Amino acid sequence: AQSVSQHNHHVILSEAASLELGCNYSYGGTVNLFWYVQYPGQHLQLLLKYFSGDPLVKGIKGFEAEFIKSKFSFNLRKPSVQWSDTAEYFCAVWLEGNTPLVFGKGTRLSVIA
Amino acid sequence: KAGVTQTPRYLIKTRGQQVTLSCSPISGHRSVSWYQQTPGQGLQFLFEYFSETQRNKGNFPGRFSGRQFSNSRSEMNVSTLELGDSALYLCASSLEGTREKANEKLFFGSGTQLSVL
Repeated sequence: AQSVSQHNHHVILSEAASLELGCNYSYGGTVNLFWYVQYPGQHLQLLLKYFSGDPLVKGIKGFEAEFIKSKFSFNLRKPSVQWSDTAEYFCAVWLEGNTPLVFGKGTRLSVIA
Repeated sequence: KAGVTQTPRYLIKTRGQQVTLSCSPISGHRSVSWYQQTPGQGLQFLFEYFSETQRNKGNFPGRFSGRQFSNSRSEMNVSTLELGDSALYLCASSLEGTREKANEKLFFGSGTQLSVL
């Protein structure tokens, strides 16, 4: 079965530290890739997505992600985190055809002052 | 443009009861997906409806069912509730629900928090 792996369950960073959250998927075909964020008490919202073209995708709030097809990876990065980035981050993969969006288990990010 | 609306926001039920959750998608969206979110398990796909037909189904028991109406609103039903059904149930809508279009993405509601006692 197709799967999405997020390597870190909980990441704790100090403000201004750099962030990289790992995401790998197991599917050899064409994919769309997403990162969603869930701030405390809020609904899931889209950070960024990759459909085609430039593998380096820029999203909202200074986040970016790089699609590396050979590594089946779509890691999320931010050069300098803020306290307000404290949230849960979900990587998701959309396979070919009318298939559902498959999510990873999420990574909880805690940013401390 | 209104977002995805889920009702009720909170529910408390006891084991053995049944429950119905409701989801109103964004106007014009024809695909509605349901997910179960629990701590440590992330979002697990329940099912997806498109034009009143179930198009995809996840690995959940038959106690979990759903339907979609002609106006794209969707309901999810869980019968014979178990303690392990306690979770946040999320509904998401999209235009067509297929990755083939560059503008496709899922919009999520705030969820229904179900507690089974």
